[in-house]
Amino acid sequence: KNQVEQSPQSLIILEGKNCTLQCNYTVSPFSNLRWYKQDTGRGPVSLTIMTFSENTKSNGRYTATLDADTKQSSLHITASQLSDSASYICVVSGTTDSWGKLQFGAGTQVVVTP
Amino acid sequence: SAVISQKPSRDICQRGTSLTIQCQVDSQVTMMFWYRQQPGQSLTLIATANQGSEATYESGFVIDKFPISRPNLTFSTLTVSNMSPEDSSIYLCSVAVGGINQPQHFGDGTRLSIL
Repeated sequence: KNQVEQSPQSLIILEGKNCTLQCNYTVSPFSNLRWYKQDTGRGPVSLTIMTFSENTKSNGRYTATLDADTKQSSLHITASQLSDSASYICVVSGTTDSWGKLQFGAGTQVVVTP
Repeated sequence: SAVISQKPSRDICQRGTSLTIQCQVDSQVTMMFWYRQQPGQSLTLIATANQGSEATYESGFVIDKFPISRPNLTFSTLTVSNMSPEDSSIYLCSVAVGGINQPQHFGDGTRLSIL
C-alpha cells in the first residue's frame, strides 16, 4: 500500500488563478517531506523540503505547508502561469539515517489553461 | 546542486536485448540512485549505487536483471538485461548532495520502449 497519497489526481485551472494540492502520508518515523515539480519529459525538480519542525516553506509562488501531527501537507500555487503545467509529486523521507529511502506519491497533474 | 546528464534520452529496443544507460554528474557525489517510473505512476527505487561497493537493490529488483556499475564518484551505469515489454518505462538517475535534509537531484531520464 502506498504510504503517500495525493489528491486530486489531476486538475485544470485558469491562468492567474490559485490552487492547492493535498498530500497525506502514513510514513513513520518521519524525517522530511518534499514537493517536486516534474515537467513532461524532464526529471523531477525540488520545490521545497520541510523537516518535522517546519510547518510552512515558500519558493516563489509555491507555498508548502506541513502538519506533522495529522500527517498532511499541501502545496499552494499562487497566480498560476502556463509554465506551472506539470506533475507535482509529494515525497516523504521515512528515516533519519538512510539515504534514498523516499516514499513517492503518484503525483497531481496540473494543467493551466489560458 | 548538481547537474546530471543521462544517455540515451530515449530508445526503442527489441525483446531479449540489453541496454546500458549512462549517468554523468558534474561533481563528485557519494550517493547515486536509480529509479524506474512507469507511465502514470510514482517513482520506484531500483538500487542505491555507492562508489567502491556493490549496489544495494530494493525488493523486486535483482542484479542479474539490472546490473549497475559505479566506477568513480561522477559516473554510473544501469543495464536493463533481457528486456521484455514490461520493462518499458522511464529510468532516472538521481544523486544526493549535502545532508539528509537536502533534496535529491534527478536527471531527465531515459525513456525506454520494448517491442
